[in-house]
Amino acid sequence: GENVEQHPSTLSVQEGDSAVIKCTYSDSASNYFPWYKQELGKRPQLIIDIRSNVGEKKDQRIAVTLNKTAKHFSLHITETQPEDSAVYFCAASRRNSGGSNYKLTFGKGTLLTVNP
Amino acid sequence: DTAVSQTPKYLVTQMGNDKSIKCEQNLGHDTMYWYKQDSKKFLKIMFSYNNKELIINETVPNRFSPKSPDKAHLNLHINSLELGDSAVYFCASSPRGLAGFSSYNEQFFGPGTRLTVL
Repeated sequence: GENVEQHPSTLSVQEGDSAVIKCTYSDSASNYFPWYKQELGKRPQLIIDIRSNVGEKKDQRIAVTLNKTAKHFSLHITETQPEDSAVYFCAASRRNSGGSNYKLTFGKGTLLTVNP
Repeated sequence: DTAVSQTPKYLVTQMGNDKSIKCEQNLGHDTMYWYKQDSKKFLKIMFSYNNKELIINETVPNRFSPKSPDKAHLNLHINSLELGDSAVYFCASSPRGLAGFSSYNEQFFGPGTRLTVL
């Protein structure tokens, strides 16, 4: 089955700096890679996702890059703000025989702390 | 107008008891999921139902039994609770899995149920 490794497990940055979180996956058939943000005591929420036919995607201060050959993808947050402090999860998914992606395999999460 | 709701929010019980957690989504999604998040924040899928049909059943003790009376509801019943079952259980839903080329690939999570087994 799929295995997703995520690094680092904790990351502390100063407000305004950039933060990068990296993930690797094992299943070359995985084709969908979402990132979720979970604030303390809250539910995980999707912040950005990327498909295997795209190498990079941006949404304001957040960007995700994908290297299919190396089987790794990364989350980049620029101009970090204290409200970016949360646990960030990467995930990977592949289509099943019916053509749908159902199962998300999550990385173990990165606790990002943005210091004012 | 909560999208995915779970009850109860907190559940404290003794070892050996049987308990249920309920989940409802009003998004019209076809697929629902149960996840377990342990004390180290690791999120692991347990079950998934698509239109009331079980499609994912991970290596979970058979003390855990999901039930989907209709596609808007997915309940989780746990028999003979053990200390190791203490965790936060999240329900989630998505429209017909995560496939397709639309933007509707997001899994929407419920608020979670914090289960504590004493």
